[in-house]
Parts: sequence; structure tokens; C-alpha cells
Amino acid sequence: ETGVTQTPRHLVMGMTNKKSLKCEQHLGHNAMYWYKQSAKKPLELMFVYSLEERVENNSVPSRFSPECPNSSHLFLHLHTLQPEDSALYLCASSPEQGSPLHFGNGTRLTVT
Amino acid sequence: SQQGEEDPQALSIQEGENATMNCSYKTSINNLQWYRQNSGRGLVHLILIRSNEREKHSGRLRVTLDTSKKSSSLLITASRAADTASYFCATNLYYSNYQLIWGAGTKLIIKP
Repeated sequence: ETGVTQTPRHLVMGMTNKKSLKCEQHLGHNAMYWYKQSAKKPLELMFVYSLEERVENNSVPSRFSPECPNSSHLFLHLHTLQPEDSALYLCASSPEQGSPLHFGNGTRLTVT
Repeated sequence: SQQGEEDPQALSIQEGENATMNCSYKTSINNLQWYRQNSGRGLVHLILIRSNEREKHSGRLRVTLDTSKKSSSLLITASRAADTASYFCATNLYYSNYQLIWGAGTKLIIKP
């Protein structure tokens, strides 16, 4: 049990579908993150929320839309994705800026 | 090349031997962090070393940091089969509170 729970673990979707990834942390952390992990590439930071306010947005296509309704929950809404968006999407949290991250086990996304 | 490059990309050793992985980076940092990722799982934080520290230990792990060479090493002593995983370094840049720059990782295989 990592303290950061992601659902679903696996997701297969067509390019015209709309789906959402969910992340929940029970660690009392103030910051939450979405990362994309593709094979043989470094982790890519997508979004960061601190106390429910978005503080980083790394030029992510608009087909990815984050939502942070409270400090314990984070969503990533997906629509009209491309096959190259297939990857492992990891959620993480941290107590404060610059401190170590606690990761969930990820959602393996396949876009067909 | 990218900030936070690990070397080697893959390493295979016998159980009981020591494993050394290296990480190089390019710009000034606040701290450098090492993480482990088992196949299909999220990343787990191992050690954080600050820019004013030269060496840290945690159990069988030893991390060194040489800011003059912009490099770090992770040593795992007396390796075990359970140490089989991918290992990543990540640098926290001095000018960004939330941005971590990741390497592509070293895949470590411990042969029984």
C-alpha cells in the first residue's frame, strides 16, 4: 500500500472516447502531480497542483484536462486521444515543494 | 544529452555483489533524489541528497554527490534478487519548486 491509489490500473480506449483517471492520496500532502511514463523515455511532468491550485502546466495538449477538487483527489480527464498517448500515467504527491514524491502504481493506458 | 542521465542503461550482476549506478546532470540543483521502480509499479523514493552534502547512507544504499563534476552515484551493497528493478535519478532545480528532471533509468538485474 503506497498511500497513493490510482484507478483504473488498466484502460483501453478508442480515439473518440472520453475517460477519466482518478488518483487519491491519504498522506495529508499538499501537492499532487500527474506524470507520463513512456518506454525508454524520462518521466514527463504534466501537471502539478498545490493546495488545489495548478502551479505547473508543462505544455500538455488540451486533450488532457486535470481537475483537483480537493487536496486528496486528482483527476485526469481524457478525450480524443492519439495512439502516441499510450503510456503509463503516474500520480504522485508530496508534503511540500522539493520534497520526495510518493507515487501510485499508475494507470496503463492504451489508445487504439 | 539530458539532465539526470543514468549510466549504465542496464546492469546484470550476481546476487551478493555490489551494484553501482551513476547519474550526471547539467545545471545547478537544490537536491538530487534516487527512486526505484519495480516492473509495472510506481516509483519508490530511496534517498535524497542536498547540494551541500557529499554522501548519505540508508541501509545497504550509499549515495554520493560531486557538484563540481555534476554527478552522483548510487551503490547497493550485497545485492539481493529483490533489488531487481529500474533505478532513476531526479534533480530538483534551484529555480523551480516542483520541477524534477528525470533520467531514463538504469535497469538492474540480480541473478540468483
